[in-house]
Amino acid sequence: NAGVTQTPKFRVLKTGQSMTLLCAQDMNHEYMYWYRQDPGMGLRLIHYSVGEGTTAKGEVPDGYNVSRLKKQNFLLGLESAAPSQTSVYFCASSLALKGNEQFFGPGTRLTVL
Amino acid sequence: LAKTTQPISMDSYEGQEVNITCSHNNIATNDYITWYQQFPSQGPRFIIQGYKTKVTNEVASLFIPADRKSSTLSLPRVSLSDTAVYYCLVGSMDSSYKLIFGSGTRLLVRP
Repeated sequence: NAGVTQTPKFRVLKTGQSMTLLCAQDMNHEYMYWYRQDPGMGLRLIHYSVGEGTTAKGEVPDGYNVSRLKKQNFLLGLESAAPSQTSVYFCASSLALKGNEQFFGPGTRLTVL
Repeated sequence: LAKTTQPISMDSYEGQEVNITCSHNNIATNDYITWYQQFPSQGPRFIIQGYKTKVTNEVASLFIPADRKSSTLSLPRVSLSDTAVYYCLVGSMDSSYKLIFGSGTRLLVRP
């Protein structure tokens, strides 16, 4: 079991460029999440999904889009990257939406110049 | 959603018991408390979760008083590998899902 994997591990973008971060989980979890973590801070929820084909906004959704076309994958898109989106992005998954353990991926370090 | 307050940092020595207290004064009736551990350059890892009284697993204990306005994570006999950031979270059981990570507590375990 690989658990939760994220691609890529590192990326540098120029302002205005677009990119997609891929998250994959092999635990058959229904729920998946995208967080961002800025230096010295905790994680903030960007978007989440309660199942294939469904997504919902989290705490800081502006500037991001997501898709959950397959149960095992959750994609995070940046259409026009901004320096304020420089951060470490973590994907997570869980069996249930509330009161349940979330399993996190290793993170993607994104720098926007 | 209840805001959590934790100490910014703590120091300890190998073999000691470490207690990290989290304040959550506005916790709602159906909210639950969860603790995560994060090492540098890694995603957080679930440690323990509870609703009231005491919960114990193979790595930690969680103490929650009757009023539930605070909780204490207890790590018995810490080792150098327990050096990490520890997050206390209060999870809402209502229909609007949210988990709020605070700034966490940086625990440094010294030899």
